Amino acid sequence: DTGVSQDPRHKITKRGQNVTFRCDPISEHNRLYWYRQTLGQGPEFLTYFQNEAQLEKSRLLSDRFSAERPKGSFSTLEIQRTEQGDSAMYLCASSSQGIDTEAFFGQGTRLTVV
Amino acid sequence: GEDVEQSLFLSVREGDSSVINCTYTDSSSTYLYWYKQEPGAGLQLLTYIFSNMDMKQDQRLTVLLNKKDKHLSLRIADTQTGDSAIYFCAGAFGNEKLTFGTGTRLTIIP
Repeated sequence: DTGVSQDPRHKITKRGQNVTFRCDPISEHNRLYWYRQTLGQGPEFLTYFQNEAQLEKSRLLSDRFSAERPKGSFSTLEIQRTEQGDSAMYLCASSSQGIDTEAFFGQGTRLTVV
Repeated sequence: GEDVEQSLFLSVREGDSSVINCTYTDSSSTYLYWYKQEPGAGLQLLTYIFSNMDMKQDQRLTVLLNKKDKHLSLRIADTQTGDSAIYFCAGAFGNEKLTFGTGTRLTIIP
């Protein structure tokens, strides 16, 4: 296992289009987290899963955002009707138990909305 | 809510020690973490400290935790050009998500 992987690494889309990102966590990790990082800021929490259950969503996650983890393994994050303000780095992390164990981050997906 | 603060920039001469500071408002995190982010890359966990410890040393890295003052620091000894990056402190303050500081950009002067 080479760690948390995210796909794609970069995505440029026109405003109004839908985009979907994928995250493959470390295989034995049951916790999976999505964060968003804008330029010059630290990552901000979006949502997390324990196995296939989505247990918490941030207020940052508007109705246009949806995340799934259907089989408790990989996860997808979809943004509908993208806006320029959605431009950011989307980071995925996984951990084996709660967040107070070591969380490993992927390389991120950089989204640019033009 | 939780608040984690860091100074934005630090410049250090190559070979000197770097000290990156972090303050937080909520003391409920069991662990406190330091992450490193290089340009265009994700976050790399550098080290962490358990909240009942005062100090942790790991090769060139020393973490100091002052729980009374809610202050965390990361010291990098013998700073090298490869240490240039943004450093984030983070904690899980009583919930299941990490709260990050704004990051400190470390620049190495040759």
